Amino acid sequence: ETGVTQSPTHLIKTRGQQVTLRCSSQSGHNTVSWYQQALGQGPQFIFQYYREEENGRGNFPPRFSGLQFPNYSSELNVNALELDDSALYLCASSRDRNMVGYTFGSGTRLTVV
Amino acid sequence: QKEVEQNSGPLSVPEGAIASLNCTYSDRGSQSFFWYRQYSGKSPELIMFIYSNGDKEDGRFTAQLNKASQYVSLLIRDSQPSDSATYLCAVDNNAGNMLTFGGGTRLMVKP
Repeated sequence: ETGVTQSPTHLIKTRGQQVTLRCSSQSGHNTVSWYQQALGQGPQFIFQYYREEENGRGNFPPRFSGLQFPNYSSELNVNALELDDSALYLCASSRDRNMVGYTFGSGTRLTVV
Repeated sequence: QKEVEQNSGPLSVPEGAIASLNCTYSDRGSQSFFWYRQYSGKSPELIMFIYSNGDKEDGRFTAQLNKASQYVSLLIRDSQPSDSATYLCAVDNNAGNMLTFGGGTRLMVKP
């Protein structure tokens, strides 16, 4: 059973709208990474937060932004939604940027219409 | 563009057989290599990781790494229908802050 919780599980938005996805990490996991997984593809790295600071970013435009809070929760915000943003969004938490310790949440399925 | 390549499959094997999954990567600076299993509609689950050239065994799973050839493989012995899933290969970057995933190989184990 994963200790990482994501909400909501499913979401439908209209093109041009904004969305906020949430992730609650395991206690002590000071690192959170967000990935986008389009249907039939592998996850793509969006960004990582470590101790509330951005610690690396993938090839995603600035309309993808994030926050990490002291209580180990985090947010992914996407502005000006496009149809291609439809995907499964996964957060993965770990301790001290250790990727072996990655625990993925169950994901948020976003559909943009 | 750093890439990780996998055959998308499906790879179909009979129950009890050995399933062999392969992955190549382009970034020679990668140090850590991971295999994840993903059931349909679920999130990825780590099953193996390997750092050093050679083989690493864990139960029915063996990961093999050849850094010179930039090649990682996963062998599943005594395959079971419950092993039917998509297997994702992932490699880290130099900064150690991201994983690059392949597109995954869909494995089907037939009873």
